[in-house]
Formats: sequence, C-alpha cells, structure tokens
Amino acid sequence: EPEVTQTPSHQVTQMGQEVILRCVPISNHLYFYWYRQILGQKVEFLVSFYNNEISEKSEIFDDQFSVERPDGSNFTLKIRSTKLEDSAMYFCASRKMTGGFYNEQFFGPGTRLTVL
Amino acid sequence: DQQVKQNSPSLSVQEGRISILNCDYTNSMFDYFLWYKKYPAEGPTFLISISSIKDKNEDGRFTVFLNKSAKHLSLHIVPSQPGDSAVYFCAASVGGATNKLIFGTGTLLAVQP
Repeated sequence: EPEVTQTPSHQVTQMGQEVILRCVPISNHLYFYWYRQILGQKVEFLVSFYNNEISEKSEIFDDQFSVERPDGSNFTLKIRSTKLEDSAMYFCASRKMTGGFYNEQFFGPGTRLTVL
Repeated sequence: DQQVKQNSPSLSVQEGRISILNCDYTNSMFDYFLWYKKYPAEGPTFLISISSIKDKNEDGRFTVFLNKSAKHLSLHIVPSQPGDSAVYFCAASVGGATNKLIFGTGTLLAVQP
C-alpha cells in the first residue's frame, strides 16, 4: 500500500541554523500539507500546497518557513533560522482530489526536530 | 483556538466491550469530520470519516455518528481489542480548496485484556 515517507526521522540542530525536512507524498496525490505537534499539544496545520503554490498557510507559517516541490516527487519544508520553540514533531500529509468529494489526508511518520 | 474539543484525555475499556470516544466542535462551517489513530513515534493513521450530509458511517468495527444540531460526533469501536490501544484524534475541515484539518487534543484509549 502506498504511503507518505519522511526523512530524517530525527533532526537535531543549533538555534539559528537552517533545516530542511523532506517528504515524499503518495504519487497520485495532488494536495500536500505540513503539520506540527509540539510535545503535549495538539496537531496544528502549517501550510497546504497545490499546483506548485501555497494554497493556505497558518499564522505560525511566518517568513522563516518555506515549502517547495523541487522535482515532482519530493515536498520540502525549510526553516531558515530555527528557534527553540520550533522543536516539535513535523508531519507531512497528502491527499488526492477527486472532484467534489471529500477525502482523507494520509500522514507520514513524522520528523522530530530538536533545536538546541 | 478550541474549535475541536475532545474532553476526555483518556478512556479505559475491557477487551470485547464497546469504546465510545467523543468530540465536540464549535465552527458550524465544518462539513467533513475524520478520526485518526496514532501510536507513539508514528504519524496519524486515518480510520473513518463522515461528511455533514450524513449522520452515521460504518466501517467494520468502527462507526462514526454525527449530531449536527449538537455539534457533536462520536466514534464507536465494537468489539474493542487490545491492538486498538492508541491516541485517537478527531479532526474537522471546511470543504473547499485546502481542506486543512483542525485537530482535537486526542483521547488515549487503553483496552484491557
């Protein structure tokens, strides 16, 4: 069964450094998402991406964040200058779009980001 | 932001009995609701969903009920099995371009053998 994959599983970085989190969505899916979960808190939406552009972003997704689909299979989240409060589990998700019908998002296993 | 609430942080049930997990929402624009199951160190796994035009959806041991007037949904698991022990998240979205999911805080279900 196809699945969303994410690398790395755990990333440790120093405050102020740039990190890139990588995801490979399910191949016939058209919508891509990033969510995060800070320890002990709920899963929060960050950004959605469709047709090579951001379709919606949350207030968390400030200028330090960017997303890219560089080669038609990978979907990346870049944090330009990490802060301590960026430490969280980051989940990638993808969804196919069958016109007019709602359908579920499939999540990857997550990348645990630790900012020291 | 408390648009989706799961008021029970945990639930313990005996194997073979029914598990009922509850979720309340405040945004009347939500029209698609989902339940996800999550094990530690894994991503959420989709279980079952329901659109606002229905009041019940069933898939095997899992049934989701939607009460739009009360802005309440519930997940029933019958019969419960020890492998069902996990955190269950309720999520909601407004149908449209992005379908971003708004999650509840989760309920930890423990099914005792």
